[in-house]
Amino acid sequence: DAKTTQPTSMDCAEGRAANLPCNHSTISGNEYVYWYRQIHSQGPQYIIHGLKNNETNEMASLIITEDRKSSTLILPHATLRDTAVYYCITLRGNTGKLIFGQGTTLQVKP
Amino acid sequence: DAGVTQSPTHLIKTRGQQVTLRCSPKSGHDTVSWYQQALGQGPQFIFQYYEEEERQRGNFPDRFSGHQFPNYSSELNVNALLLGDSALYLCASSLAEKNYGYTFGSGTRLTVV
Repeated sequence: DAKTTQPTSMDCAEGRAANLPCNHSTISGNEYVYWYRQIHSQGPQYIIHGLKNNETNEMASLIITEDRKSSTLILPHATLRDTAVYYCITLRGNTGKLIFGQGTTLQVKP
Repeated sequence: DAGVTQSPTHLIKTRGQQVTLRCSPKSGHDTVSWYQQALGQGPQFIFQYYEEEERQRGNFPDRFSGHQFPNYSSELNVNALLLGDSALYLCASSLAEKNYGYTFGSGTRLTVV
């Protein structure tokens, strides 16, 4: 599975969009991009995943570049409850092991 | 719809003892994975069970073993506990044939003293 690179930390004002970048330049054609987040002392929570098309659900949007070497997770209207560590992970299918890096610590401020 | 249930939530063990952690997967899920998360670190994959067999294993010693039961629930056993085994142990379940992502439990906080 491809290695991912994320900024260590980011701040976002409450009510504004939070844009979290991820580089995965060695991703292979059959690897999906998954995003999870972990709020302090809880288990990771699945947010969204995609292969090559942009995806949107009730939580977030995922924008994947055409060459698939990077992606951006967008939280359209960040709230204080979105403060968490966000992990970008690449994975083949749904049966592989998730390899967590250090993630991005997003701090949403009032 | 119950999510992933782990028990106990916290426990304290003495170095050298053995511990068993339990996980009930989300309803409808058939695959269970276990992760260890040390303080300040991302979770690390221990192993995955499907159809009562260990399907994948991470870089953990044989002191870590597991089991999956016919009802898809799972146990993680750790023998000869070391101080370094103190961590949050997370269970994640999924449905093998569907690409819906993993559902994680809240974890068991193990402290070895």
